[in-house]
Amino acid sequence: GNSVTQMQGQVTLSEEEFLFINCTYSTTGYPTLFWYVQYPGEGPQLLLKVTTANNKGSSRGFEATYDKGTTSFHLQKASVQESDSAVYYCVLGMSNYNVLYFGSGTKLTVEP
Amino acid sequence: AQTIHQWPVAEIKAVGSPLSLGCTIKGKSSPNLYWYWQATGGTLQQLFYSITVGQVESVVQLNLSASRPKDDQFILSTEKLLLSHSGFYLCAWEGTGDAEQFFGPGTRLTVL
Repeated sequence: GNSVTQMQGQVTLSEEEFLFINCTYSTTGYPTLFWYVQYPGEGPQLLLKVTTANNKGSSRGFEATYDKGTTSFHLQKASVQESDSAVYYCVLGMSNYNVLYFGSGTKLTVEP
Repeated sequence: AQTIHQWPVAEIKAVGSPLSLGCTIKGKSSPNLYWYWQATGGTLQQLFYSITVGQVESVVQLNLSASRPKDDQFILSTEKLLLSHSGFYLCAWEGTGDAEQFFGPGTRLTVL
């Protein structure tokens, strides 16, 4: 079946530190992979997406790398800001179905 | 530009009472529509999806039902609320064909 695993439930960093969030997935199809970000009291927003046609995506200083061999999809940012504090979800999407599979989320707290 | 509106913003209801939550999409013709549920501090779980008016598919059974009475409207309801129905309900739309979904602001439901 399809599933997503995020092992890091919480990450705490200081401003300007490097962020790395690990995600692994399992699927039998050809997925599109997403990172969504959710701020308190709001719906998730798309941060970036990567299809199987390419293996990298970037947005707002964040970069995601997709590795089909290890079925991993990592999110990274060189220098975090306090405003990046939010919950980040790794998400698996199958374009020929209508279901998104959300990971358990990683709560990022950036301290000034 | 597309806009998604959910109502009400928040509800406090008694166990055993009925519930109706709504979602409206403007600026997008014939979108795929989705309902999600998020427990406090938890990840998102897709509940229903609809490809067209009058057709709704269930992904997870939580003693809830959904209907799509109009092209731009999606309704989530139940005759009898349970304590376990508490949480954050999110509506989303998709129309680009690559599984990317756009979320509404959500409805916070508290069942007492």
